Amino acid sequence: GQQLNQSPQSMFIQEGEDVSMNCTSSSIFNTWLWYKQDPGEGPVLLIALYKAGELTSNGRLTAQFGITRKDSFLNISASIPSDVGIYFCAGQLPGTDKLIFGTGTRLQVFP
Amino acid sequence: NAGVTQTPKFQVLKTGQSMTLQCAQDMNHEYMSWYRQDPGMGLRLIHYSVGAGITDQGEVPNGYNVSRSTTEDFPLRLLSAAPSQTSVYFCASSTQAGRIGNTIYFGEGSWLTVV
Repeated sequence: GQQLNQSPQSMFIQEGEDVSMNCTSSSIFNTWLWYKQDPGEGPVLLIALYKAGELTSNGRLTAQFGITRKDSFLNISASIPSDVGIYFCAGQLPGTDKLIFGTGTRLQVFP
Repeated sequence: NAGVTQTPKFQVLKTGQSMTLQCAQDMNHEYMSWYRQDPGMGLRLIHYSVGAGITDQGEVPNGYNVSRSTTEDFPLRLLSAAPSQTSVYFCASSTQAGRIGNTIYFGEGSWLTVV
C-alpha cells in the first residue's frame, strides 16, 4: 500500500532541544495532518494544514504545508519529556477522507 | 479520541475463527473508516464508508468485511482469522467525506492477536 516517506525514523534528544521531522510524497495532497500517538492509544491530531505554503503553530509545535503539496514538516521547540511518542504525518487524498500515513518518527526525550 | 468507541480493546483468536470488531461514534459523522497498524508502519486503510449503506475498499481490504446499517456503527468482520491479521486496529470518523478542514477522530484501538 501507499505510504509517505517520513524521516527520521527515530530521534533521541535532550530535554530543551528543538526537533524537526518531515514527510515527502510522490502524490499531491489537499490536506496535511500531523498526529501524535502515545503507547496504547489512538493517534491524536496535533496540527492540520489546508493550503500550500501554509505555516501553522500550536504552542511549541509548528508545521508547514509544502509549496508543491507533496511535502510537510513539523518542528517542536524546547522539547519536554511529555513530547515522547510516535509522530505521524498523514496526507488527505483530494475529494476523500482517505488518509495516507507516514511510517512514523519515534521521539525519545532525555532529561 | 472524542466520541469514537471501539470494542474489544484486546482479543486473542485462533486461526480460522471469526470475530467482529465494533466501532461506534456519537457525533453523527458521515464518514467512518478502519485502519490497521503494524510494527514500524503507519496506519493503512482497510475499508471506509461515506454514509449509511455505502462502503468501499481501502488499501488492504482482503480478509475483512464491513457494513454500515446505521450512521453510528461501523463493524469490521474477520471471517476466518489468519496470523497475518495480528495487528492493532483503529476506527476513525469525521463529519463529511472529502471536505477540507474536517477533523478525523480516532478510537483508542483494538489489539488483535491470531495464534
